[in-house]
Amino acid sequence: AQKVTQAQTEISVVEKEDVTLDCVYETRDTTYYLFWYKQPPSGELVFLIRRNSFDEQNEISGRYSWNFQKSTSSVNFTITASQVVDSAVYFCALSEWGGATNKLIFGTGTLLAVQP
Amino acid sequence: NAGVMQNPRHLVRRRGQEARLRCSPMKGHSHVYWYRQLPEEGLKFMVYLQKENIIDESGMPKERFSAEFPKEGPSILRIQQVVRGDSAAYFCASSPRDRGWEQYFGPGTRLTVT
Repeated sequence: AQKVTQAQTEISVVEKEDVTLDCVYETRDTTYYLFWYKQPPSGELVFLIRRNSFDEQNEISGRYSWNFQKSTSSVNFTITASQVVDSAVYFCALSEWGGATNKLIFGTGTLLAVQP
Repeated sequence: NAGVMQNPRHLVRRRGQEARLRCSPMKGHSHVYWYRQLPEEGLKFMVYLQKENIIDESGMPKERFSAEFPKEGPSILRIQQVVRGDSAAYFCASSPRDRGWEQYFGPGTRLTVT
């Protein structure tokens, strides 16, 4: 069965600090997708990043970076120089690749509070 | 290109009433997914539909919940005889036929049962 665990329920940082959100997943699939979404207080889901299991390159996009460690089934998400507008719940998600259904399995989320 | 549309954005129902939630996928998308987010929890998959077909309903409660995606018109998630525990945010996502992992989410419908 597929499972996503975000052990950090809440993180509080001061503006301009770097913050890393942890995510560990379980799957029997050899190919899969991993995602990070942001849910600000307004409630909508904002897509941040998607990577497939073949691509273990770490990625940097602006203030966001992604550290995928297939050997430990972890995919951590780092925000550099955090800003108050980064305050949100961040969800990690997993999806199989090429199966009959591409449903997303979400973690329980990490609430990030960035203090001014 | 308009995004995924959901309406209503907020819905209040009394216990025992029916709730109908609508989802219009992005133009060109033929696959729709419904997810539920209970208060203070992550999103949970409910059902995956293609036009006129339910492909995976493994996340749907066995009673009172149904979903459809007709040939014409939006996808509908229907909850009969709502109870307080149905209060949640319901998100719809759509994807192209050949890229099911590329899901675009709507803004959600927040259902409150009083």
